[in-house]
Amino acid sequence: DTAVSQTPKYLVTQMGNDKSIKCEQNLGHDTMYWYKQDSKKFLKIMFSYNNKELIINETVPNRFSPKSPDKAHLNLHINSLELGDSAVYFCASSQAGLPTDTQYFGPGTRLTVL
Amino acid sequence: GNSVTQMEGPVTLSEEAFLTINCTYTATGYPSLFWYVQYPGEGLQLLLKATKADDKGSNKGFEATYRKETTSFHLEKGSVQVSDSAVYFCALSASGGSYIPTFGRGTSLIVHP
Repeated sequence: DTAVSQTPKYLVTQMGNDKSIKCEQNLGHDTMYWYKQDSKKFLKIMFSYNNKELIINETVPNRFSPKSPDKAHLNLHINSLELGDSAVYFCASSQAGLPTDTQYFGPGTRLTVL
Repeated sequence: GNSVTQMEGPVTLSEEAFLTINCTYTATGYPSLFWYVQYPGEGLQLLLKATKADDKGSNKGFEATYRKETTSFHLEKGSVQVSDSAVYFCALSASGGSYIPTFGRGTSLIVHP
């Protein structure tokens, strides 16, 4: 009965490859997010979708492309992976994207680029 | 822009000690304030929140009061346990803009028996 799930949990790949991370939430929430957490635990928002529409797009290289096929899913595709992309990527969801809403986080995907 | 400043860790305490983790913020509009906790190898989960000035959030013995005059939301617990060892994140989300959630850098808490 996982509320927010991500696959894969671990991803090890070579520089230059293309990879995707998938996220699903079963909470019935309208808003989903992608965050990047670096090795020092700093958490930075990357993207947010509300009902399949992109509403937040922070300063992220255009090698990163989110895609929301429906409001329960938000996937992240990364082209031409670089060493600096190594991090833990978290998906999250919230009821309606309002400031008062709690965010529910997935377990994270640890990406290692060699 | 919005920002959250937390005390740097790690904070190391003995079991049953009193805990304070300081958090101050700057924000446009009227922010909601949150504390999230991250246990090793897991995602963040909400610990407590407050959505307007003078509100007190509380959960599992932790408390924080939304102080608009000092722009602070300090986390406290009267008696910590080994199981409280984790990373704690202060966060805000402000109205009047794009609701972009902003997180502090996290404070690691280590509790020894």
